[in-house]
This record gives sequence, C-alpha cells and structure tokens, in this order.
Amino acid sequence: GENVEQHPSTLSVQEGDSAVIKCTYSDSASNYFPWYKQELGKRPQLIIDIRSNVGEKKDQRIAVTLNKTAKHFSLHITETQPEDSAVYFCAAKADTGRRALTFGSGTRLQVQP
Amino acid sequence: ETGVTQSPTHLIKTRGQQVTLRCSSQSGHNTVSWYQQALGQGPQFIFQYYREEENGRGNFPPRFSGLQFPNYSSELNVNALELDDSALYLCASSYMGSSTGELFFGEGSRLTVL
Repeated sequence: GENVEQHPSTLSVQEGDSAVIKCTYSDSASNYFPWYKQELGKRPQLIIDIRSNVGEKKDQRIAVTLNKTAKHFSLHITETQPEDSAVYFCAAKADTGRRALTFGSGTRLQVQP
Repeated sequence: ETGVTQSPTHLIKTRGQQVTLRCSSQSGHNTVSWYQQALGQGPQFIFQYYREEENGRGNFPPRFSGLQFPNYSSELNVNALELDDSALYLCASSYMGSSTGELFFGEGSRLTVL
C-alpha cells in the first residue's frame, strides 16, 4: 500500500519568513496530493492540492510543488503569519484501488511574532 | 450548504464496551470515509462507504464496522473497545466522480477508552 513520509515533524520560523514542508510517497499510482491544515481541536481543512499532471500550483502565499520522478512533493508558505501556526498534513491518493487518502505524520508549524 | 456533522463530539467508554459514532455527510456528497487520528499522528483510513456498501478498507480489525444509509449518512461501530482505540474519529464526505475526490471533514468524535 501507499506510504507517505513527512518532514520535519516540527518547524519554527519567524513571522515573515518562509516555511517549507516536504513529503515523499511510495505508490507510483498516486495522482492526487492535498495538503491539510489542522488547528488545535479543529477538523483538518484543505488548503491546497495538486494533481500529478501539474508540477506546481500557487494560491496567494501558499504553493505546492510535485516531482513525480522522485515521488516527492512540498508545501511552501511565504511571508508567514502567526495565524499560519498549526499542524500541516500532506496526503496522497490514487484514483484506482482503495481510493483512500494516506496521510503523512504531520508537521507542527510555529510562527513566532 | 451544510457541512459534515458528527456526533457525539466527546465520549468516554471502558474496555470491552461498544460504541457507535454518527456522521451526516455534506449536501450533495455520496461517499463517506472514516479516519482514526491518534494523538500527534496523521489520520489513518478505516473504511469508505459508497452506495451503502463498503468499497475500501484500511488495516483495521473486523470489530470496526460501519453502515451507510440511503441519505448518505453513516455510522462507525467499534466492538470490544481497547485502550488503543482512544483517538479522534473523523468522518469525511466526498462526491464519487469528482475530478479530485476532495474530502470534507467533520469536527470529529473524540473517544477515550479507560
């Protein structure tokens, strides 16, 4: 089955700096890669996603890059703000088989004011 | 448009008991998935229901079972509770046939097993 590894587990940055979170996946059939933000005690919320036919996608301060050959994808947050502090999860899914999201273990991002 | 709602939000059980968690899917969605999120970890896929049938299952034992009803709402049942079953149980709905299969999560049911 799919295995998703995520690094780092914790990340502390100064407000205004950039933050990068990296994930690798094992199943070459995976073709959908969402990123979720989960604030303490809240539900995971989709912040950006990318499909395997696209190498990069950007939405304001957030961008995701995908390298299918290397089977890794990354989340980039620029000009970080204290409200970006949360746990971020990457995930991967294929359109065939189980069609379930396999999540990484999460990155706790702390943005220091 | 109503979002995904789950009940109860919190509950405490003892080892060996049984629990039923409930989920109402988002309007227009026909697929429900259940995930277990242990403290400090990512959600782990339990199973998925589509057209009232299980159509995918993760590495969870048979004492984890579910149902989907004609209105697409769903239940997760766990028998013979163990201490390790303590976790946040997340329900997510989606539309089978969408280009991405984006999941919309509920706020979860936090289960504590003593």
